[in-house]
Amino acid sequence: KAGVTQTPRYLIKTRGQQVTLSCSPISGHRSVSWYQQTPGQGLQFLFEYFSETQRNKGNFPGRFSGRQFSNSRSEMNVSTLELGDSALYLCASSLDTGKDYEQYFGPGTRLTVT
Amino acid sequence: KNQVEQSPQSLIILEGKNCTLQCNYTVSPFSNLRWYKQDTGRGPVSLTIMTFSENTKSNGRYTATLDADTKQSSLHITASQLSDSASYICVVSRGNKLVFGAGTILRVKS
Repeated sequence: KAGVTQTPRYLIKTRGQQVTLSCSPISGHRSVSWYQQTPGQGLQFLFEYFSETQRNKGNFPGRFSGRQFSNSRSEMNVSTLELGDSALYLCASSLDTGKDYEQYFGPGTRLTVT
Repeated sequence: KNQVEQSPQSLIILEGKNCTLQCNYTVSPFSNLRWYKQDTGRGPVSLTIMTFSENTKSNGRYTATLDADTKQSSLHITASQLSDSASYICVVSRGNKLVFGAGTILRVKS
């Protein structure tokens, strides 16, 4: 079975621009979660989608948004980029939503904002 | 204050030696505690998942222990290999959310 894939792997953007990141979960997985990872903060939960609905949301400003499609693929969007948005963005998929389901992470998208 | 604290922040050991990483948490209640290994430039990979009623769980050379009374967990790595060099992250589930520790960076030298 193919793992979680994320595109693009690397991205360089300028302050003020917007960016869209994509995540394809493992086949059959219906839950997709997004995380931001920075050296100082570690992994921070952004949001979780299940069956095209946002189930949980972390403490991030409204500039961060996401969506999930009927095939479970998910995208996250960051508008009006700031320097502090430079980070590794990780996507994780699981069979179902809930605390007991194993999460499988993708390789991440490294975003650099200049 | 972070609800999941890991120590040490970083560690250097010689190949073949054992090491133990610590995780203290204040998350309550919790349903499970996980240890992940993250290689540089890659996503985390699950090593173990333990419910609050489990005391120990092994995955090859990795053994995790959990003391739910003292809210402490440890990850013991036996006979370390160069490929063990990575960040090890302790994660506690609370409700439908995961609370992540900052990780311990392990470097194994030959």
